[in-house]
Amino acid sequence: SQQGEEDPQALSIQEGENATMNCSYKTSINNLQWYRQNSGRGLVHLILIRSNEREKHSGRLRVTLDTSKKSSSLLITASRAADTASYFCATDENNAGNMLTFGGGTRLMVKP
Amino acid sequence: DAGVIQSPRHEVTEMGQEVTLRCKPISGHDYLFWYRQTMMRGLELLIYFNNNVPIDDSGMPEDRFSAKMPNASFSTLKIQPSEPRDSAVYFCASRYYRVGREKLFFGSGTQLSVL
Repeated sequence: SQQGEEDPQALSIQEGENATMNCSYKTSINNLQWYRQNSGRGLVHLILIRSNEREKHSGRLRVTLDTSKKSSSLLITASRAADTASYFCATDENNAGNMLTFGGGTRLMVKP
Repeated sequence: DAGVIQSPRHEVTEMGQEVTLRCKPISGHDYLFWYRQTMMRGLELLIYFNNNVPIDDSGMPEDRFSAKMPNASFSTLKIQPSEPRDSAVYFCASRYYRVGREKLFFGSGTQLSVL
């Protein structure tokens, strides 16, 4: 079963614009992670935010976490065509034996 | 390190045949996960191991699926007999679970087509 649900399922923007993807989850978590998947490839870890953190930055990535609403957002600023990929949130749940549960993903297309 | 290595990269087989997917995790990692990805169901966790011991196999679809991890450097996922609905991309991932090092490392996946 999927813990996280991403919104929107697909997003198309122009190069230079910002892209925002949202993730909602159901149970309490230790941390939430975002991954990227290029077509035909495995997932690559982007950023992790812990349950006691509210915001985190890494380069052009900004992640927020609201544990009261059980939601997270990933912002990619000044997007580039190379950012075209699918983005997944994954939750590291409390009392879940250290397994990660992934959402359905957001397909991002950045047009040059 | 070469990362998580999966083989084969592509597998085409006929319904009823046995399929074996292989995975070599990153050296030193103590958790290994098998996921299946389809358009309809997204990324599903099938089974995961900790120190070569299966911890949770509740995601394994049915008895046709089995997974083993005979040692820390090798795992297999077997489907016998295979069915067309098993067609998917199967990913293996590993991690060394400690606070501050929770991220997963994925292999490139095995694209399975069952005709």
